[in-house]
Amino acid sequence: GQNIDQPTEMTATEGAIVQINCTYQTSGFNGLFWYQQHAGEAPTFLSYNVLDGLEEKGRFSSFLSRSKGYSYLLLKELQMKDSASYLCAVLDSNYQLIWGAGTKLIIKP
Amino acid sequence: SQTIHQWPATLVQPVGSPLSLECTVEGTSNPNLYWYRQAAGRGLQLLFYSVGIGQISSEVPQNLSASRPQDRQFILSSKKLLLSDSGFYLCACPPAGSGDTGELFFGEGSRLTVL
Repeated sequence: GQNIDQPTEMTATEGAIVQINCTYQTSGFNGLFWYQQHAGEAPTFLSYNVLDGLEEKGRFSSFLSRSKGYSYLLLKELQMKDSASYLCAVLDSNYQLIWGAGTKLIIKP
Repeated sequence: SQTIHQWPATLVQPVGSPLSLECTVEGTSNPNLYWYRQAAGRGLQLLFYSVGIGQISSEVPQNLSASRPQDRQFILSSKKLLLSDSGFYLCACPPAGSGDTGELFFGEGSRLTVL
C-alpha cells in the first residue's frame, strides 16, 4: 500500500527553527508537496520538490531525498502565525496525490 | 485571479437525510475539479474528480455522488447520509498557470456534521 508518515504534533518556540519530517512509500514518484493549513481553513500551497535537494523560499525551505523516500520542511524565525498543520503529499505514478495526516505545529511565546 | 466558492460553509444534518454541497470556480476555464474529504486525524481523501462537463470519476465507493452540470460548477450529493460522512469537504482545482505539477488550489471548505 501507499503510505505517508509525519509526526502528529510538534511544539516549538517563537523565533526558533523547526524541522518537520515526512517519509513516504508510494507506487512511483512525480513530486512532493508541502501545504499549510490553519485550523478550520483550507490548505494552502507552500512548496514543491521533484528533484533531490533543498528549495528555499523565504523563511521556509523544503528538502527531498528520493532514494530515501524522505522530505523535510524547515521553518526559520518562527512566528505565532506559523501555528498550523503542515501536510505532506506525494504525486504517485498515476499522478494521484497521496496525503499524509498532517503535523500540527504549536508555537509557544 | 482564481477563486473557488463553496457553500454552505457549515451544516449539521441528521443521519439518513440528503446532502448537496456546491463548488463554483472563477478565474479559469475548463479546469480539472476535485472533491476531497478530510476527516479528523487522517489525510485528505480524494472522492471524485472531473476533467469536463458531465465527466466524473469516482475514487472511493460510497454513498456519495458528484455531478458537473457546468464547466465551473461541481456538486457533491448524497441521498442518505451516514455518520461516517462527517468531515471537512474541500473542492480543488489546479492553479491557473501551474502547468502539470499536480499543485492544487482549494476552496474554503464545507464542514459537515452528521448526527
